[in-house]
Amino acid sequence: GENVEQHPSTLSVQEGDSAVIKCTYSDSASNYFPWYKQELGKRPQLIIDIRSNVGEKKDQRIAVTLNKTAKHFSLHITETQPEDSAVYFCAADGGSTLGRLYFGRGTQLTVWP
Amino acid sequence: DTAVSQTPKYLVTQMGNDKSIKCEQNLGHDTMYWYKQDSKKFLKIMFSYNNKELIINETVPNRFSPKSPDKAHLNLHINSLELGDSAVYFCASSSGIGDQPQHFGDGTRLSIL
Repeated sequence: GENVEQHPSTLSVQEGDSAVIKCTYSDSASNYFPWYKQELGKRPQLIIDIRSNVGEKKDQRIAVTLNKTAKHFSLHITETQPEDSAVYFCAADGGSTLGRLYFGRGTQLTVWP
Repeated sequence: DTAVSQTPKYLVTQMGNDKSIKCEQNLGHDTMYWYKQDSKKFLKIMFSYNNKELIINETVPNRFSPKSPDKAHLNLHINSLELGDSAVYFCASSSGIGDQPQHFGDGTRLSIL
């Protein structure tokens, strides 16, 4: 099955700086790559996703890039704010294995004011 | 209106007891999931149902038994609870199998005494 690796596991930035979280995947048949944000004590919430026919997608301060050849994708947050502090999860669809998303182990982002 | 609702939100019980968690979605989705999130925040898929049929059954002890009476409901029954079952259990739903956004419920925090 698919294997998704996520780095770094923790990330601390100053308010206003940019943050980048990177993920790699193993199954070249994967086509769907969502990113979830989970605030403390809350549910994971989809913040942005990208499909394999697109190389980059942007939504205000967040953007996702995808390199299918290298099998990696990244989340970029610009002008970070304290409310961006959360655990972020990347995921990839099962590709050859239908029916599930494979999640990375999460990145704890802390934005210091 | 809550899209994916789980009950109860908190469950505190003793080792050896049997308990159930209920999940309902009003999004009209065909696929529902159960995830376990341990203290290290890893989101581990347990089960997935599509149109009331089991499509994913990860290596979960058979003390855990899911049941989907209809497309909008997916319940989880746990027999003979053990200390290691303490975790947050999330229900989720999606409109397709694997390659669609998943919407999570607020989670059920299970604590075993």
